[in-house]
Amino acid sequence: ETGVTQTPRHLVMGMTNKKSLKCEQHLGHNAMYWYKQSAKKPLELMFVYNFKEQTENNSVPSRFSPECPNSSHLFLHLHTLQPEDSALYLCASSQALAGEPKKNIQYFGAGTRLSVL
Amino acid sequence: KNQVEQSPQSLIILEGKNCTLQCNYTVSPFSNLRWYKQDTGRGPVSLTIMTFSENTKSNGRYTATLDADTKQSSLHITASQLSDSASYICVVREQTGANNLFFGTGTRLTVIP
Repeated sequence: ETGVTQTPRHLVMGMTNKKSLKCEQHLGHNAMYWYKQSAKKPLELMFVYNFKEQTENNSVPSRFSPECPNSSHLFLHLHTLQPEDSALYLCASSQALAGEPKKNIQYFGAGTRLSVL
Repeated sequence: KNQVEQSPQSLIILEGKNCTLQCNYTVSPFSNLRWYKQDTGRGPVSLTIMTFSENTKSNGRYTATLDADTKQSSLHITASQLSDSASYICVVREQTGANNLFFGTGTRLTVIP
């Protein structure tokens, strides 16, 4: 148990559906992240939030919409996805964005396995 | 272009044997290097973190080394166990205001009885 919980663990959706991924951290961290993990590719950073404010959007298509209502919760709203968006979506949190290495170690959730049909 | 390359891509070893995974990087300026273990169906979990001044760090049967001059790191697993079967990911942090992280594609290790 890493202290970062993601739901649902698995999701199958059609291209016209709207769904949301949820992430919750119980570590008292201030930074939260969304990553996409596809087979045989490095993790791709999608969004970064620090103290609820979005600090990074890595040119992610607008069909992915993040929401961070507080430092403990992070959502990823999905709308009109494409089959190539099928992947494992990982949420992570860290105590800080930068500074001392031990403070920016990222703790990952187990991920949501998304399949877009 | 900053890159992190890992080798081998996959590895199968017998239980009880040792193995070494490699990570070469071109990230500059360098801040720190981390090794993560990712079990199937789980998120990555941090194993070790090393800064520029550290050249070895152990975590149980896992020992990571870092040569900042040649920009190489290795993860040595001693007396492997079935539970070591996982993907091992090398991650390098850039020493800039952006503090970017660069991920390798991972080495898939399978330990067989």
